[in-house]
Order: sequence, then C-alpha cells, then structure tokens
Amino acid sequence: GAGVSQSPSNKVTEKGKDVELRCDPISGHTALYWYRQSLGQGLEFLIYFQGNSAPDKSGLPSDRFSAERTGGSVSTLTIQRTQQEDSAVYLCASSTSGSQAVLGYTFGSGTRLTVV
Amino acid sequence: ELKVEQNPLFLSMQEGKNYTIYCNYSTTSDRLYWYRQDPGKSLESLFVLLSNGAVKQEGRLMASLDTKARLSTLHITAAVHDLSATYFCAVDPDDKIIFGKGTRLHILP
Repeated sequence: GAGVSQSPSNKVTEKGKDVELRCDPISGHTALYWYRQSLGQGLEFLIYFQGNSAPDKSGLPSDRFSAERTGGSVSTLTIQRTQQEDSAVYLCASSTSGSQAVLGYTFGSGTRLTVV
Repeated sequence: ELKVEQNPLFLSMQEGKNYTIYCNYSTTSDRLYWYRQDPGKSLESLFVLLSNGAVKQEGRLMASLDTKARLSTLHITAAVHDLSATYFCAVDPDDKIIFGKGTRLHILP
C-alpha cells in the first residue's frame, strides 16, 4: 500500500482481555517498529523487526506483550490480560532498512487502545 | 543509555516571531530526524539530516545538525498559527529510533 496501515484504529477492551493490534508496513520496507505513546507523552520504543526477526525486544514492558512478523510484512502486537496502564496509542513505523533509513521512517495512524 | 533531550518542552509564542527548538543527544549519530505531530494524529516526517553540517529548509522551518556537538536545531521564522503542533527529534544509532519527549509549540494569533 501507499502508507503504513494499522488496525483497528480504536479499540476498547475490558481489563483482563487479550488484544491484537495489526500493522501492515509499506511494501518493500524490511524494518518495522512498534511504539507506544501515552496521552501527552513522547514515544516509548517497544520492539523492532528486521525482516521476520526481532533483534531488539528490550522495550516490551512485560511478558504480557509479544509481537510477531510473518512473511517480512504484516506484524501483530499482542497484549495479554490487558491492564488499565496499557491504555495508549500504539504506533507502527516502517523503513527500507533500520540503519540505512535515509528516507526516514513512515508512521501509521496508530491504534488507540482503551482498557476499561 | 542513549538520551535525546529537547528544549524547551513547551513553547508559547506570538505569530511573526522567531524561535529555535534544541535537540541534544548523548551518543554518536550521524543522522537525525524531525517529526511533527498534530493532536490526535500520527507523526509526519519533516526533515532527515544525514551528515554533519546538514541544513534543510521547508517554508518557515529550518533544521540543522552538528554531529560533533551532538546538537540539532529547528528554527522557526515568522511563526504562523498553522505551525502549532508537537515537534519531535529522533536519532537511530543502533537500528532503534529514539525520540525526544517533544516540544509542544503553541502559536498565538
């Protein structure tokens, strides 16, 4: 597609439920990133994929968070047993290559997650 | 731990005035990115600075990079209300983009 596509755009879930957030990067972009942005805050790094591999998972807040990427394309971020502090906007970005992103990184519109 | 610090974090200014946002980072990086975020929206790429001394301009915004000082600036010339937004700088020395906390710019008409 022309841009990074994220779905759903909004998700309201009950505390304790599992959620899956999807990111479809720009075709041909090998690097994919997940970030979390709480209300009025900066961007918190979660995880980075190069192809299907995740060289850096250091930002995942807890073992309730996991992510995978298949076929070097779509990525899914899963949050198990959601808590209220998980409420945030989850942003996905992609680039042609992590360390050679001379064209920068393109962000999706995000998924706004609300845990009630 | 890599740190990216922006200054100021909040700026309220009158239309027509000039101002500069500063971005310092704590490790070697020869690339720096500036993004704009409007309320409730995603991040829009403004500038990609790829080398020491790089300077880029788009309209009333001009960004520069000094890799030796580990400093980038975003200069606003004759501000207009439409420039009200949050501006983020970011570096990616280790294949991981690290962002500053953002500068919330409010331009008064």
